[in-house]
Amino acid sequence: ETGVTQTPRHLVMGMTNKKSLKCEQHLGHNAMYWYKQSAKKPLELMFVYSLEERVENNSVPSRFSPECPNSSHLFLHLHTLQPEDSALYLCASSQARVSSYNSPLHFGNGTRLTVT
Amino acid sequence: EDKVVQSPLSLVVHEGDTVTLNCSYEVTNFRSLLWYKQEKKAPTFLFMLTSSGIEKKSGRLSSILDKKELFSILNITATQTGDSAVYLCAVVPNRDDKIIFGKGTRLHILP
Repeated sequence: ETGVTQTPRHLVMGMTNKKSLKCEQHLGHNAMYWYKQSAKKPLELMFVYSLEERVENNSVPSRFSPECPNSSHLFLHLHTLQPEDSALYLCASSQARVSSYNSPLHFGNGTRLTVT
Repeated sequence: EDKVVQSPLSLVVHEGDTVTLNCSYEVTNFRSLLWYKQEKKAPTFLFMLTSSGIEKKSGRLSSILDKKELFSILNITATQTGDSAVYLCAVVPNRDDKIIFGKGTRLHILP
């Protein structure tokens, strides 16, 4: 158990569907992140939230829409995705923003997304 | 452009061998370097390195950072099949939260 829980574990969706990924951290951390992991590519940062405020949006297409209602929960809303969006989506948290504090990321198990 | 390069990309050794994984980086405003182990899904944190020349150790794993030559190594001694995983190196810049990850080294330990 990593202290960061993601649901669902697997998701298959069509290009016209709308779905959401959920992340919950039980570590008392103040920063949360979404990462995308595609085959043979490095982990790519998508979004960063610090104390529920979005502080980083790494040029992500608008078909991905994050939401952070409180410091323990993070969502990624998906709509009209493309097949190339198929990947492992990892949520992470850290005690404070990594740019201001030497605090490593703690990752969840990810959601394996397949877009058909 | 900032980048992190890991080598080798994959490695197969026998149980009991010692392995050294490499990570070199070109990142402006370096803050720290992180090592992670990724088996099935969640990368799990191994080490955070901020100072040159100080070895961090955890059981059979150890790591060291050279900020002058811009690289780090991760050593695993007396390898076991449970060490089979992808090992990720990442560099944290001082200026923002965009941690730069390498592509990882896929390590396979044969029994």
